[in-house]
This record gives sequence, structure tokens and C-alpha cells, in this order.
Amino acid sequence: KNQVEQSPQSLIILEGKNCTLQCNYTVSPFSNLRWYKQDTGRGPVSLTIMTFSENTKSNGRYTATLDADTKQSSLHITASQLSDSASYICVLQGAAGNKLTFGGGTRVLVKP
Amino acid sequence: NAGVTQTPKFRVLKTGQSMTLLCAQDMNHEYMYWYRQDPGMGLRLIHYSVGEGTTAKGEVPDGYNVSRLKKQNFLLGLESAAPSQTSVYFCASSYEADGTSIFNEQFFGPGTRLTVL
Repeated sequence: KNQVEQSPQSLIILEGKNCTLQCNYTVSPFSNLRWYKQDTGRGPVSLTIMTFSENTKSNGRYTATLDADTKQSSLHITASQLSDSASYICVLQGAAGNKLTFGGGTRVLVKP
Repeated sequence: NAGVTQTPKFRVLKTGQSMTLLCAQDMNHEYMYWYRQDPGMGLRLIHYSVGEGTTAKGEVPDGYNVSRLKKQNFLLGLESAAPSQTSVYFCASSYEADGTSIFNEQFFGPGTRLTVL
């Protein structure tokens, strides 16, 4: 079973609307949780990095939250733009060493 | 400042052929990584390097070899390609690798799409 599960696998939203992506994890303990954005045909680019003790981190219209009790993180996209169309990947770094565990990603399509 | 670059961008191989993927970074990063990305799955670590002249196995190392002769370059080799190695390969680098430092953020290259027939 994957230690990082993301939902939904894909979603379609209208330009200007908000959306929330979910990440459930079992990696424990961990040192930080990251969200990456991956445009089609490109490598992942970091959006946010949160340590295990942080609850929220923002980067422009992207806001990530972390609930260590329920082992859940979410990425909220506000006022979506066409350029937000991409895959969003949740990644956890274990507390021991530098191993990253990647989720399968959520593919977001923003339509005009 | 080009960041992380990868060559080639695309390649088609026949089963049994060999090839080398090149990764280069100009950020003076100590750590470099090779991942593969398959549909519906998260990125998986193949091999990594913690510095010039050192390499280590990751999660899925079988069928691959690597070398880090220069700090800025990390090569991934396939000695005898198999259809199961059809994938998109990403190289990444980071300044640090441990703990909670933001300097352990990994920067990714654009990827190499490899098809093995």
C-alpha cells in the first residue's frame, strides 16, 4: 500500500473557482511535507515545504495545511487560473535520512 | 543559471541496447538523484549521490548503474534495456538532504522520456 495517497486522481474546475486537493499519509515520523506542481512534460517544481510542527504554509494563491493528528494534508488553490492546470504531488520526507516518498499526484484541469 | 538540465529529452531503444542519460546542475549542489515516473505512480528513487565520487542505491536500482565523476554531473546508465524500463526519468539535485532545512529542497530537471521496444 502506498504510504502517500492523494485524492481525487483528477478534477476539472472552472477558471476563477477554488479547489482543494487531499493527501493522506502513513509515513511516520517525518521531517517535512512538500507539495510540488508538475506541468505536462516538465519536472516537478516546489510549491510549499512544511515541517512536521507547522500547520499551514502559503505561496501566493496556493495554501497547504497539515494535520499531524489525522495524518492529512491539503492544498487549496484560490481563484484558479488556466496556468494552474497541472499535476500536484504530495511528498513526505522521512525523519531518518533523506528518503522522499511521493504520492501519485492529482491532475487538475482548469477550463475557461 | 540553467538549474538542472538533462540530455537527451527523448530516446527510443530496442531491447538489449545500452544508453547513458546525462544530468548536469550549475547550483553547486552536493546531492543528486535519479528518479523514474510511471503512469499513476509516484516518483521512485533509482540511485542517488551524496557527493563527487559517491553513489548509493535507491528504491528501484536493478538494471541501472550510475557515476558521479564530477560534482556537477550525474550519469544514469542502462546496460541492457528492457521494456519494463520504459518510463520518464527525472534527475534532481539539492544543497542538503537531511532534517528540516529548506536547503534540502530538490530541484528537478525537465525529464527524459525513454521508450524500450
